[in-house]
Amino acid sequence: RKEVEQDPGPFNVPEGATVAFNCTYSNSASQSFFWYRQDCRKEPKLLMSVYSSGNEDGRFTAQLNRASQYISLLIRDSKLSDSATYLCVVYRPGNQFYFGTGTSLTVIP
Amino acid sequence: DAEITQSPRHKITETGRQVTLACHQTWNHNNMFWYRQDLGHGLRLIHYSYGVHDTNKGEVSDGYSVSRSNTEDLPLTLESAASSQTSVYFCASSRDRSGELFFGEGSRLTVL
Repeated sequence: RKEVEQDPGPFNVPEGATVAFNCTYSNSASQSFFWYRQDCRKEPKLLMSVYSSGNEDGRFTAQLNRASQYISLLIRDSKLSDSATYLCVVYRPGNQFYFGTGTSLTVIP
Repeated sequence: DAEITQSPRHKITETGRQVTLACHQTWNHNNMFWYRQDLGHGLRLIHYSYGVHDTNKGEVSDGYSVSRSNTEDLPLTLESAASSQTSVYFCASSRDRSGELFFGEGSRLTVL
């Protein structure tokens, strides 16, 4: 079983739409959680960390459910510039970061 | 501004040749990592280092080696390149072991 699983999409949404991505992780010892954004043929960049209480950064909201071992990312009022691949990343102490395969988002005018 | 750079950005080589990918960071981070990214897989860890003279194997280390002689550099060597090592390679560094990863722009390697 993969450490981190994501729906690869693609998600094609119109501008202004709200879109949600989910991610599940297999190991309950996982400690830290992140969403990274990767533009086509570019390096991943941190979008936001995910905290147990949930956190928001502008149009982006991240949630963590430890009991069900899943992480979500909600994007409100989608912009064309949000088109990218979103990577779910989990850190397990004593081990390393584990990356999902990514969810592709295209925002359509 | 501090940064992390990789070279070469693109490389084509032949099976059996030795290849070295360079990674240089000016963040003064102790933690450095090499990942490969392939379709259908998330980024997979090849090797990592928590400081000078420290190196550790990751999930997919076979056929690769690294050395850490200073804080700034972590070169990745493919001793005898194989077609299965055709991939995009990303170097990353972090200040904290569980904190934000800063990635280089990637090195696209093709082994013919």
